[in-house]
Amino acid sequence: AQKITQTQPGMFVQEKEAVTLDCTYDTSDPSYGLFWYKQPSSGEMIFLIYQGSYDQQNATEGRYSLNFQKARKSANLVISASQLGDSAMYFCAMRDTYSGAGSYQLTFGKGTKLSVIP
Amino acid sequence: EPEVTQTPSHQVTQMGQEVILRCVPISNHLYFYWYRQILGQKVEFLVSFYNNEISEKSEIFDDQFSVERPDGSNFTLKIRSTKLEDSAMYFCASSAVPPGGTGELFFGEGSRLTVL
Repeated sequence: AQKITQTQPGMFVQEKEAVTLDCTYDTSDPSYGLFWYKQPSSGEMIFLIYQGSYDQQNATEGRYSLNFQKARKSANLVISASQLGDSAMYFCAMRDTYSGAGSYQLTFGKGTKLSVIP
Repeated sequence: EPEVTQTPSHQVTQMGQEVILRCVPISNHLYFYWYRQILGQKVEFLVSFYNNEISEKSEIFDDQFSVERPDGSNFTLKIRSTKLEDSAMYFCASSAVPPGGTGELFFGEGSRLTVL
């Protein structure tokens, strides 16, 4: 079963506007973590933001915020004041079941390609 | 800011050849990982490594693959007898905290492997 679902293969946003990238997840583990990574065309994976399942408040990092709705199992990324440099693939990922010593396995979604239009 | 470094950034090899991808994790990290991303697809977990042994591996990580920490700094992924379908971006990652922690997983910039 798919654990992370990103339903938007591609999104367009006007420069300086805000955009929301959707992510829903599935887990039976009460303790989990949700991550967003940015992958520019150069290929590297850049960590953006983290939300723990027990965190009371939505995570924020600069222009990035995570709209965490636990009951709906959604963890949408909001980028405010989009910039041309935000054009990239964005991946939602989840770490859930502790499966053994030294394991920190992330399960990734298929990604959303964001294009910022000048 | 400390970072995970990977070499080579791009390697082209003939099918059937052996390839070693190298990674230098962040110096005080104890948990090391390899992930793979076939072009246009999602990132997939391959293996995690802790305390000088594999702690978990995915079904992708078959006998063709091996990992090693030959010294105190390098972490390598060896692919024996490469196949066309091994062509992908391979990401090394490391983390400081144990499972269940809330710390970040730091990724390297990736090594692109092309098998001809």
